[in-house]
Amino acid sequence: EVQLVESGGGLVQPGGSLKLSCAASGFTFSGSAMHWVRQASGKGLEWVGRIRIKGYNYATAYAASVKGRFTISRDDSKNTAYLQINSLKTEDTAVYYCTKQDCSSTSCFTGWGQGTLVTVSS
Amino acid sequence: QSVLTQPPSASGTPGQRVTISCSGSSSNIGSNTVNWYQQLPGTAPKLLIYNDNQRPSGVPDRFSGSKSGTSASLAISGLQSEDEAGYYCAAWDGSLNGVVFGGGTKLTVL
Repeated sequence: EVQLVESGGGLVQPGGSLKLSCAASGFTFSGSAMHWVRQASGKGLEWVGRIRIKGYNYATAYAASVKGRFTISRDDSKNTAYLQINSLKTEDTAVYYCTKQDCSSTSCFTGWGQGTLVTVSS
Repeated sequence: QSVLTQPPSASGTPGQRVTISCSGSSSNIGSNTVNWYQQLPGTAPKLLIYNDNQRPSGVPDRFSGSKSGTSASLAISGLQSEDEAGYYCAAWDGSLNGVVFGGGTKLTVL
């Protein structure tokens, strides 16, 4: 069974940084592209970015709203994906989910974590 | 303003059939597969339909997806109270080089 467990969220001041982690189990982590998706309270889903597998040189892609501030990485030896968030803004306040890409479709996510809440406030 | 356009709300009575639309463009729905997600209140999203019209194991056949040109639709037949949830469409956008979601449709079972 696919399991994804996010951690690292919390309260941070504007301009601050956080590093979120996503621990994966139940599937071949090194063979799966991983994505991050966020959801502000009462709002819809927003794609944050993705990291591909080693065979694609761990290529990353980001939403325009976070490009230059967010960095996705992975450690296949630890079955863990990361989201480094810098220069945080109040509008980054959201639940952050990590997801596993599947179905031979870049927007097909078959596994979701429970999410970790990031609150940006002074 | 979401790249994919969905109606913000939909409703139906038990047993009815409802459809939720998702409108995009040639750079997303027109050239890539569409996936649909169901999000029950207070929970993470769950894959409902993948590759335009395929159901993952465990998803009832009451749920179906279709696509034509730059639009897609999710149909729910035999509506049940437990179908009350948020529904989102998603696709890769080749121009934006990223995944785009619809704004979401809140389905109410009356």
